[in-house]
Amino acid sequence: GAVVSQHPSRVICKSGTSVKIECRSLDFQATTMFWYRQFPKQSLMLMATSNEGSKATYEQGVEKDKFLINHASLTLSTLTVTSAHPEDSSFYICSASPSGGPGEQYFGPGTRLTVT
Amino acid sequence: RKEVEQDPGPFNVPEGATVAFNCTYSNSASQSFFWYRQDCRKEPKLLMSVYSSGNEDGRFTAQLNRASQYISLLIRDSKLSDSATYLCVVNPDSNRDDKIIFGKGTRLHILP
Repeated sequence: GAVVSQHPSRVICKSGTSVKIECRSLDFQATTMFWYRQFPKQSLMLMATSNEGSKATYEQGVEKDKFLINHASLTLSTLTVTSAHPEDSSFYICSASPSGGPGEQYFGPGTRLTVT
Repeated sequence: RKEVEQDPGPFNVPEGATVAFNCTYSNSASQSFFWYRQDCRKEPKLLMSVYSSGNEDGRFTAQLNRASQYISLLIRDSKLSDSATYLCVVNPDSNRDDKIIFGKGTRLHILP
């Protein structure tokens, strides 16, 4: 149980284009979903927290107009990287929580984004 | 001081040995603590929660020292499959029990 999928697993896009990443909880309903970013040899950094049907809460330093998050249902959240730049190249990982509790986050397999 | 600090390693340990990692956290009000495991280019997976009294799960033992603000992970009888990066994770904000902060991780290589 507690499976989270992400799509795509890998994407290459050109500078200036937008990329959408999907995160789905496959066998549970996620009250809360989280988006993280991980640069090489760095820790996972929380970008934003989203609750179904409400606006996402962004962490300090994360541009909400650049990283658009939609959590339209209890099993799906999307992250859209708008006007991507090479410095946005990173590993983006989502997690989903049925309860919102700290120990109960299930991670997706991640999406490796490369912006050329 | 960083919120969560770990020795990045790598720790190169022969199979069968015991290895221990520590992690320090800066916020004394932190409520919950966890160890996650992350394999190369994969997502992190919860290894175990860390309880105040310390807890054990098979070959893995986790300890919490609130006075010194650190947690530890001990792996006994290490296996080749234990090779991974071990992430120390802390919930630092009592007002937000859903938010967790990851350390950079400690890399462990088990040598045959």
